[in-house]
Amino acid sequence: AQKVTQAQTEISVVEKEDVTLDCVYETRDTTYYLFWYKQPPSGELVFLIRRNSFDEQNEISGRYSWNFQKSTSSFNFTITASQVVDSAVYFCALRSPTGGFKTIFGAGTRLFVKA
Amino acid sequence: SAVISQKPSRDICQRGTSLTIQCQVDSQVTMMFWYRQQPGQSLTLIATANQGSEATYESGFVIDKFPISRPNLTFSTLTVSNMSPEDSSIYLCSVEGIVTEAFFGQGTRLTVV
Repeated sequence: AQKVTQAQTEISVVEKEDVTLDCVYETRDTTYYLFWYKQPPSGELVFLIRRNSFDEQNEISGRYSWNFQKSTSSFNFTITASQVVDSAVYFCALRSPTGGFKTIFGAGTRLFVKA
Repeated sequence: SAVISQKPSRDICQRGTSLTIQCQVDSQVTMMFWYRQQPGQSLTLIATANQGSEATYESGFVIDKFPISRPNLTFSTLTVSNMSPEDSSIYLCSVEGIVTEAFFGQGTRLTVV
């Protein structure tokens, strides 16, 4: 079965704190793709990152970083020095052959960053 | 990348009526999808919009309730039929490649009263 679990429903931090959003996925496929999306209060979905299963390098983009660990089936997202503008719902997603290459979204983590 | 124009952006509808949502893409794409996002929830795939043939619906969604058209590779519509308050959601169209990220329309925020 294809599944994405984001166990943290809501996280609240104070500005400038670091915060990590967890994502655990399930798939039996060896080739698959993982994604993170941001949904700010305005509602649109913003693509943040794509990672394929053969690329386990961690990635840093400004204040954002991602830790992909196949051994634990996790693809965690860290925001360093959080800002109020980071307040949003963040979705982790999986796409794989067994799932017909349809995107399966996790439940999302709502992040509140307080000034 | 793809630019997707979705309209209307929001609507308030009476129960029992129908609403058609349009999704226009700025380039020809193969895979288009329709999602529903109920309040405070994640995205749930409604169906794959197939060009020139009937849409492929996910479990729990049926054509009579959510008819979909895809007359060409740049345009699709989703109709929410015989609406009830439980249909109040955000509806999103997306275009996705097998290995690429999904590009989403701005969403249609539907309230049924």
